[in-house]
Amino acid sequence: KAGVTQTPRYLIKTRGQQVTLSCSPISGHRSVSWYQQTPGQGLQFLFEYFSETQRNKGNFPGRFSGRQFSNSRSEMNVSTLELGDSALYLCASSSGQTSYEQYFGPGTRLTVT
Amino acid sequence: AQKITQTQPGMFVQEKEAVTLDCTYDTSDPSYGLFWYKQPSSGEMIFLIYQGSYDQQNATEGRYSLNFQKARKSANLVISASQLGDSAMYFCAMREVQRNTGNQFYFGTGTSLTVIP
Repeated sequence: KAGVTQTPRYLIKTRGQQVTLSCSPISGHRSVSWYQQTPGQGLQFLFEYFSETQRNKGNFPGRFSGRQFSNSRSEMNVSTLELGDSALYLCASSSGQTSYEQYFGPGTRLTVT
Repeated sequence: AQKITQTQPGMFVQEKEAVTLDCTYDTSDPSYGLFWYKQPSSGEMIFLIYQGSYDQQNATEGRYSLNFQKARKSANLVISASQLGDSAMYFCAMREVQRNTGNQFYFGTGTSLTVIP
C-alpha cells in the first residue's frame, strides 16, 4: 500500500506570493490533516479535512486555507506569504475511525525569501 | 498551559539498553488519544504507538511500549533494546475531541534521542 505523498518536496517563494501544496493520502483514508513545523514553534496543527469538509481548524490566520477533493486528495494554500511562513509542512492521513492514528508524508519544505 | 510537555530535550542511551522518554499531558476531555512519533533526520514522521484514554492495558508495539498512568496524566515511551537506528527526534502527541471544532491534535516539543554504540 502506497504511503502518503506530498508535492512538491521543496519550494522557494518570495514574500507576498501565494503557494499551493498537495497531499495524497493512503488509499482508503478519508481524513487529511495539515501541520506546520518550525524550529521555534514546533509542530502546530493547521486543519483537518474529512470527506471534503473541514472538520476542525487550528489557530492560524485566514491566509492559510485548504480543501479536499472527492478522491481524498487535499491541497493547502497560503496567500500573501510572509517570512515566518518558512517551515516544513506535513500532511497526515487517517482512516478517520477510532484511534485516528495518523500517517505522515515526507513534507514540503517551504522557504520564503 | 501546555497540552503536551516533554521535559527532556536530549537523551543518550547505550546500544541494547532500554530508555524511557517522558511525556505529560493536560486535558479535561474524558475521551482522548495519545501517540508517539519518531522523526529521523530525513524529516518524515513515523507513527510508533497509540494509547486510548479508555484502554485498560498499556499499548505495546514490538520494542515500543507506552507506560500510561492516567491519574498522573503521563504517557512515557519505553524503547527496549535500543538500536543505532533509533537515533531520532521523538514526539508525544494527543488528540482530544472538542465540542465545536472536532478533533484537535497537539504535539510536544520533542526529545532528541542518540543511541551510542
